[in-house]
Amino acid sequence: EVQLVESGGGLVQPGRSLRLSCAASGFTFDDYAMHWVRQAPGKGLEWVSGISWNSGSIGYADSVKGRFTISRDNAKNSLYLQMNSLRAEDTALYYCAKSRGYEWEPNGVDYWGQGTLVTVSS
Amino acid sequence: QAVVTQEPSLTVSPGGTVTLTCGSSTGAVTSGHYPYWFQQKPGQAPRTLIYDTSNKHSWTPARFSGSLLGGKAALTLSGAQPEDEAEYYCLLSYSGALVFGGGTKLTVL
Repeated sequence: EVQLVESGGGLVQPGRSLRLSCAASGFTFDDYAMHWVRQAPGKGLEWVSGISWNSGSIGYADSVKGRFTISRDNAKNSLYLQMNSLRAEDTALYYCAKSRGYEWEPNGVDYWGQGTLVTVSS
Repeated sequence: QAVVTQEPSLTVSPGGTVTLTCGSSTGAVTSGHYPYWFQQKPGQAPRTLIYDTSNKHSWTPARFSGSLLGGKAALTLSGAQPEDEAEYYCLLSYSGALVFGGGTKLTVL
């Protein structure tokens, strides 16, 4: 059974940093690309970033480019999102999501975690 | 980045048929956008229903189907059930980014 468990969310002040983690199990982690998707309270889904199986290809939404960094550790079956210069508009539930293929594009998501909440406020 | 558009809300009667659509600001949606469809119920994570325009996952109820229709991606629900009441999102792939639509709130009434 595929399991994706996010952690690292919390309350953070504007301008500060936070690192999210996602522990994956139930599948061969290094065979698949991974994504981060977020959802602001009461709003729709927003794709944040994707990373290929070997970290050779990475993509970001314009809204986070230059501030967020996605990475993975295949030895630890883990996905990360380093979030710097956080803004109030980054407040959201952040989902870790498994891609259907090796590459993050054009492959979307087949499995989702339950999310970790990030609140950016002073 | 491109803007992906969906109907904000739709209503279907139990047992009825409804089609949700997904358009792109860049022009016609094609199979090259690899359309995905997701269902999300309140308080739950999304669930993937359709990938690559029309392919279903093992857990996707047979009453859901995906297609291309009039330059848009489409999700058709045939024989709506009360449990199908949810928010539905599409996802399109563009060069260098994936973009979600704003979602369609489907009411079964």
